[in-house]
Amino acid sequence: KAGVTQTPRYLIKTRGQQVTLSCSPISGHRSVSWYQQTPGQGLQFLFEYFSETQRNKGNFPGRFSGRQFSNSRSEMNVSTLELGDSALYLCASSFKQGTTGANVLTFGAGSRLTVL
Amino acid sequence: SQQGEEDPQALSIQEGENATMNCSYKTSINNLQWYRQNSGRGLVHLILIRSNEREKHSGRLRVTLDTSKKSSSLLITASRAADTASYFCATVYDTGANSKLTFGKGITLSVRP
Repeated sequence: KAGVTQTPRYLIKTRGQQVTLSCSPISGHRSVSWYQQTPGQGLQFLFEYFSETQRNKGNFPGRFSGRQFSNSRSEMNVSTLELGDSALYLCASSFKQGTTGANVLTFGAGSRLTVL
Repeated sequence: SQQGEEDPQALSIQEGENATMNCSYKTSINNLQWYRQNSGRGLVHLILIRSNEREKHSGRLRVTLDTSKKSSSLLITASRAADTASYFCATVYDTGANSKLTFGKGITLSVRP
C-alpha cells in the first residue's frame, strides 16, 4: 500500500507570493489533515478535510486555505507569503482503528517551504 | 491551549539504556498517542492508549497513562542508536467529527552508540 505522498518536497518562494502544496492520502483514507511545523511553535494544526468538507480548522489566518477533491487528494494554499510562513508542512491521512475507534494519523514526508 | 507538554525537552542516553519520556496535558482526553519523527521527515505512529487504560506495551515500548494527574509516560527499553529521533505525544479530546490530534513540542532523544 503506497504511503502519503506530498509534493513538492522542497520549495523556495519570496514574500508576497503564493504557494500550493499537494497531498495524496493512503488509498481508502477519507480524512486528510494538515499541520505546520516550526522549531518555535512545534506542530500546529491547520485544518482537516473529510469527504471534500472542511471538518476542523486551526487558528491560522485566512491566507491559509485548503480543499479536498473527490478522490480524497488535498491541496493547501498560502497566499501573500510572509517570512514566518517558512516551515515544514505535513499532511496526514487517517483511519479509525477497528479495535479502539480512534483516529490514527499516517504522515507524509512533508513539504519544506522557505520564504525569502 | 490544549497542547500537551513533553519533558524533558532533550534526552541523551547510552545504547542499551532505557529512555523515559513524559507528557502532561490539561483537559480530559479520549485517547493519547505517541509518534516518532526522524530528522526532517514525517511522523510515525508508535502506540495509542485510551483514557480507560493504564498501561500498554508494544515491543520495546511501554506507555502508561494517569488520568488523575493528566500525564503519560513512554518508556523505550534497551535503546538503540536507531531510536534517535524526536518523540511527540498527541492528545485527542473527542471522537467523531472533532477528533483532531493536538501535539506537544516534542522530546529530542539521542542514543549514543
